[in-house]
Amino acid sequence: DTEVTQTPKHLVMGMTNKKSLKCEQHMGHRAMYWYKQKAKKPPELMFVYSYEKLSINESVPSRFSPECPNSSLLNLHLHALQPEDSALYLCASSQVNLGFTDTQYFGPGTRLTVL
Amino acid sequence: GQQLNQSPQSMFIQEGEDVSMNCTSSSIFNTWLWYKQEPGEGPVLLIALYKAGELTSNGRLTAQFGITRKDSFLNISASIPSDVGIYFCAGFLYNNNDMRFGAGTRLTVKP
Repeated sequence: DTEVTQTPKHLVMGMTNKKSLKCEQHMGHRAMYWYKQKAKKPPELMFVYSYEKLSINESVPSRFSPECPNSSLLNLHLHALQPEDSALYLCASSQVNLGFTDTQYFGPGTRLTVL
Repeated sequence: GQQLNQSPQSMFIQEGEDVSMNCTSSSIFNTWLWYKQEPGEGPVLLIALYKAGELTSNGRLTAQFGITRKDSFLNISASIPSDVGIYFCAGFLYNNNDMRFGAGTRLTVKP
């Protein structure tokens, strides 16, 4: 089973709202990732968690706040977003072998629209 | 950081034709991956390549990890309408958690 699930599928929010995106995997992967993807572009890495600890933050604005409550779950908390933050947000996970991350498997994404 | 050059940017082909796309990099990678993405969905892993020179097939798909570790190609034989989508190459180094993507190849298959 190589399934990564994400909820919600679609989200529309105002610039003053607070919302959260959720990601879950039960493959025993110890690395989890958040990506942002704009239309017709490849995914852009935002955050990497390895063994529930934040290992990479690609200079993402503080209005995006990741959280990894346990090895199966990854959240992305959203607050005071801008319309240009509208995008497809993808979660991915991968195995960690001898401290190095392996092939990434992606979820279906959350389509976020900020009004 | 490493940049991946993926070509072609788009392809319009007739059903039944073969397709070839490739990625090159100025730096070496330990792993090359090929993903397919359909509208509104996440990328789906098609083929993973872990060894220089490796040639791997998955049904009608064949991909190779270049000997120099700086390139990879993906071939699709006898294309069908459901092959439509964007194909992304991706590469990463084991000691670097940052996976790099190509810009994608948009494939359209005419019945």
